[in-house]
Amino acid sequence: EAQVTQNPRYLITVTGKKLTVTCSQNMNHEYMSWYRQDPGLGLRQIYYSMNVEVTDKGDVPEGYKVSRKEKRNFPLILESPSPNQTSLYFCASRFDQRGGLADTQYFGPGTRLTVL
Amino acid sequence: GNSVTQMEGPVTLSEEAFLTINCTYTATGYPSLFWYVQYPGEGLQLLLKATKADDKGSNKGFEATYRKETTSFHLEKGSVQVSDSAVYFCALWMDSSYKLIFGSGTRLLVRP
Repeated sequence: EAQVTQNPRYLITVTGKKLTVTCSQNMNHEYMSWYRQDPGLGLRQIYYSMNVEVTDKGDVPEGYKVSRKEKRNFPLILESPSPNQTSLYFCASRFDQRGGLADTQYFGPGTRLTVL
Repeated sequence: GNSVTQMEGPVTLSEEAFLTINCTYTATGYPSLFWYVQYPGEGLQLLLKATKADDKGSNKGFEATYRKETTSFHLEKGSVQVSDSAVYFCALWMDSSYKLIFGSGTRLLVRP
C-alpha cells in the first residue's frame, strides 16, 4: 500500500530534550516536506526536500533541522524543543515538484507533539 | 505573496443540507488548487483538485470549480451526511514555491 508513515504518533517531552520524528514514504517520491498545524493558522511548511541531500527552509524553520540521506526517509529533528513547538506535525511527499499528473501531495497521519 | 482565504467555521448543518465552503486565493501565476479533508484524529486526505482555470474537481459527491476570474475554488456538496463532519482545507500549489499554501481550515459539523 502506498503510504507515508510517521513515528511516533504522539509524544510528550520536556523543554530542551532532543527528539526526532521519523517520516518514511514507499512511493519513490523525490519531494518531501514537513508542515506544522496550529489552530486558526492552517498548515505551514517547516522544511522541504527536492531530493536526496537537497533540503531547504520553508516558512517556519526556526528550531528545526532535517536531513535527507535516503530517498524514502525525511526525519524532523528538534535539537532543543520549546513549548512553542507544541503542535501537530505532518510529513508529506510528492512525485515531482514540477506539477503535471503527479502533482498530488500525500500526507502522513500526523505526530502530536507536546513540549512541557 | 501567495495566500488562501477560507470562510470561518464551524459550519453546522443538518443531514441532507446543501454545503458551500468558500475559498479564495491570491497568486502570482497559475496555481493548482486542492481541497483536503481531515477527519477527527486523522491526517489529511486529498478530496479533489483542479489544475487549470474552469476545471472542475469532484469526489465523493463534493465538487469545486477553478474560477480564475473570481480567484475562487468553493467547495460544494448537494446533500451532506453525518460522516462528512471533518475539517476542510483549501490549498494552492505553485511550482515556483515548492510548497502547498493552506487556508486556515473550516470545521464542518453535520447533525442527524
